[in-house]
Amino acid sequence: SQQGEEDPQALSIQEGENATMNCSYKTSINNLQWYRQNSGRGLVHLILIRSNEREKHSGRLRVTLDTSKKSSSLLITASRAADTASYFCASEYNNDMRFGAGTRLTVKP
Amino acid sequence: EAEVAQSPRYKITEKSQAVAFWCDPISGHATLYWYRQILGQGPELLVQFQDESVVDDSQLPKDRFSAERLKGVDSTLKIQPAELGDSAMYLCASSSPGQASYEQYFGPGTRLTVT
Repeated sequence: SQQGEEDPQALSIQEGENATMNCSYKTSINNLQWYRQNSGRGLVHLILIRSNEREKHSGRLRVTLDTSKKSSSLLITASRAADTASYFCASEYNNDMRFGAGTRLTVKP
Repeated sequence: EAEVAQSPRYKITEKSQAVAFWCDPISGHATLYWYRQILGQGPELLVQFQDESVVDDSQLPKDRFSAERLKGVDSTLKIQPAELGDSAMYLCASSSPGQASYEQYFGPGTRLTVT
């Protein structure tokens, strides 16, 4: 069964705008990871944040984690058409990783 | 850059037939995962191997699905007999527990259509 929920289910923005996706999970975690999936392809790892971290940056990506609320957010700044994809959060505990249902992001040129 | 290989990329089969998928993980990765992804949903774990041993197959429908990783390298997932509800993307991933991150590397997937 899936562990978490992403919000929103779908997001459509213009190129250059920022995109924020949220994720909630249900149990304790060692870390939370975000993945991207282009249509019909496998998933690509974007960023990992450990349970004792609150914020992490990687290029145009910013991830936050609030373990008290069991939630995380992914911010993509200055979005590009190539960022169009589905984004999944995955909560990991003792090498057991559970994915959410994903947010479908569309970036219009 | 090393990649996870999967074949076939697409498979169409009739219900009640047998079907098999193959995965070759990144060299040196001891942990291998098979996921099923229904359209519009996230991946759901079917089975996890550590070397040649199954460490989690609690979500694998064992009456029709089987998985093996005989030499602890490549792996095969089989469905027999296939049912209409098995239509989905089957993803293979690998990771190296020696890494602190447990980041998983995914293959391109096999899109199965059961008619």
